[in-house]
Amino acid sequence: GAGVSQSPSNKVTEKGKDVELRCDPISGHTALYWYRQSLGQGLEFLIYFQGNSAPDKSGLPSDRFSAERTGGSVSTLTIQRTQQEDSAVYLCASSRDRGRVNTEAFFGQGTRLTVV
Amino acid sequence: DAKTTQPNSMESNEEEPVHLPCNHSTISGTDYIHWYRQLPSQGPEYVIHGLTSNVNNRMASLAIAEDRKSSTLILHRATLRDAAVYYCILRSQAGTALIFGKGTTLSVSS
Repeated sequence: GAGVSQSPSNKVTEKGKDVELRCDPISGHTALYWYRQSLGQGLEFLIYFQGNSAPDKSGLPSDRFSAERTGGSVSTLTIQRTQQEDSAVYLCASSRDRGRVNTEAFFGQGTRLTVV
Repeated sequence: DAKTTQPNSMESNEEEPVHLPCNHSTISGTDYIHWYRQLPSQGPEYVIHGLTSNVNNRMASLAIAEDRKSSTLILHRATLRDAAVYYCILRSQAGTALIFGKGTTLSVSS
């Protein structure tokens, strides 16, 4: 596709349920990032993928959060036993890093998660 | 990645130039300086990046101090659409995450 695609765009879930958020990066982009942004707050880094591996998971807030990436392409962020504090916009970005730091990252429009 | 310091907010009038400063006194020789912005209700978008020399593109210019301890993003003629949060980020090496600070919230008045 032309850009980073995230689905769903909006998700309302009940507290305690599991949710899966999907990110389709730009074709050929090896680096993929997940962030979350609570209302009125800055971007909080969650996890970074290079290919299918995640060299930096330091931002995942708890073991309820996990992410995987398959085929060097699509990534899924899973939140188990959702809590109200998980409500936020979850943003995905991809870039053609390939060992260079002078590449730009492209962001999706995000998934707005509301836990009720 | 080394840290950056930006003012919390700035104001500008439409069609005037805007200079957004960023301090990065602990920058290392191989750090690239990246700028992103986030328009209301949208994901961030890339603006510009540079290493040592000043850079220009269709969106903005980036002026980098000779000692590289600071840089300035220049919007030559601000428009209402430029109202956003602007982030200055250093990238120290490939294979590391892109970490955002609090950025500068730019308001543009007509």
